[in-house]
Amino acid sequence: EAQVTQNPRYLITVTGKKLTVTCSQNMNHEYMSWYRQDPGLGLRQIYYSMNVEVTDKGDVPEGYKVSRKEKRNFPLILESPSPNQTSLYFCASSLSAGGRNEQFFGPGTRLTVL
Amino acid sequence: KNEVEQSPQNLTAQEGEFITINCSYSVGISALHWLQQHPGGGIVSLFMLSSGKKKHGRLIATINIQEKHSSLHITASHPRDSAVYICAVIRVRTGNQFYFGTGTSLTVIP
Repeated sequence: EAQVTQNPRYLITVTGKKLTVTCSQNMNHEYMSWYRQDPGLGLRQIYYSMNVEVTDKGDVPEGYKVSRKEKRNFPLILESPSPNQTSLYFCASSLSAGGRNEQFFGPGTRLTVL
Repeated sequence: KNEVEQSPQNLTAQEGEFITINCSYSVGISALHWLQQHPGGGIVSLFMLSSGKKKHGRLIATINIQEKHSSLHITASHPRDSAVYICAVIRVRTGNQFYFGTGTSLTVIP
């Protein structure tokens, strides 16, 4: 089944404790992206990747890191999480960059930073 | 000011009604997407538009590039259409970066 998976689905952590949210897709998609969703602000793009080893900042990259060492995986790293990073996070992928293809979204990761 | 504005923010309709959700944007775009977010939180892509009109079942999406406006129509609405509908654009200038509206919450009452 074609899908985007994220782990963990729920995470409660404390300020400053490094964490990684994994994202994997099995559709051989070139474009992958991370978003955060906050009440009243909607979805905002954190980072995106157009292919292996090619990443770029979105609208709200501060406090986050990403890497794209393999085509299928695009982990989101929070080196020193803070309470303002409490949010619902979505990973998504599409066949290619440029926004001309359907995006497939993961199920979301609800992160709480205390 | 958000570059992508949606209206209305909230919408309640009776089953069977024709529904229109609007999306306006202030920048040049190369594509516009309509997304649906279910009450459980999952997001699915409904349409990608760069011009004209697309139809899928009871859903119709249109875009007017000159007026910087898109509409999502739902014909013969049903309670299962209750969801948040989100408009997203790809700006010509940034090429690969998405910008989102804050969504329209639709409730269809039986």
